[in-house]
Amino acid sequence: DQQVKQNSPSLSVQEGRISILNCDYTNSMFDYFLWYKKYPAEGPTFLISISSIKDKNEDGRFTVFLNKSAKHLSLHIVPSQPGDSAVYFCAASADNAGNMLTFGGGTRLMVKP
Amino acid sequence: EAGVAQSPRYKIIEKRQSVAFWCNPISGHATLYWYQQILGQGPKLLIQFQNNGVVDDSQLPKDRFSAERLKGVDSTLKIQPAKLEDSAVYLCASSLYYQETQYFGPGTRLLVL
Repeated sequence: DQQVKQNSPSLSVQEGRISILNCDYTNSMFDYFLWYKKYPAEGPTFLISISSIKDKNEDGRFTVFLNKSAKHLSLHIVPSQPGDSAVYFCAASADNAGNMLTFGGGTRLMVKP
Repeated sequence: EAGVAQSPRYKIIEKRQSVAFWCNPISGHATLYWYQQILGQGPKLLIQFQNNGVVDDSQLPKDRFSAERLKGVDSTLKIQPAKLEDSAVYLCASSLYYQETQYFGPGTRLLVL
């Protein structure tokens, strides 16, 4: 039973445009959400997080939106750059912090120059 | 600051053989995690250590997998005997304390033939 799902295995976007990556979860106990970025042959790198008490968190070009009623979160990258091409993982935790993470299957983002 | 180190980077073994992976976390990090990432899936937590004690190993297949973190620093993950379905990337991560941001190593790619 996948508690965190990323239904789009891949996404292709033109440089300078917005990239929107989506994530759905089923466990209502999840209260902390994170996005990780992964380049080939490297481990995942933390990108941005959001607590369930918020519905939006921004960090430079990256914004995460949380819709608790829909059990849905999304990562917006504006503007997209070729260096953003990577696999993005959504992760969730039920301890209000970045512990005991449950990951989604990932979305491969390709930003074309 | 040096990142999380893992070795070997690649390993090919035959089924029923044993294998061990090593992880050296970021200096001073008290919490250490081992994840299994099967191709096309997100990382799955196998075991979490706080210093040299186990916090959670509920998803570790204990009939064949074992892990230890002697002296609360380095850690080893062992599989004995290996099965075909153990083919995956094994990721080690560490965090300063429980519930802090996790930093991942590059992983060990295991292929069981």
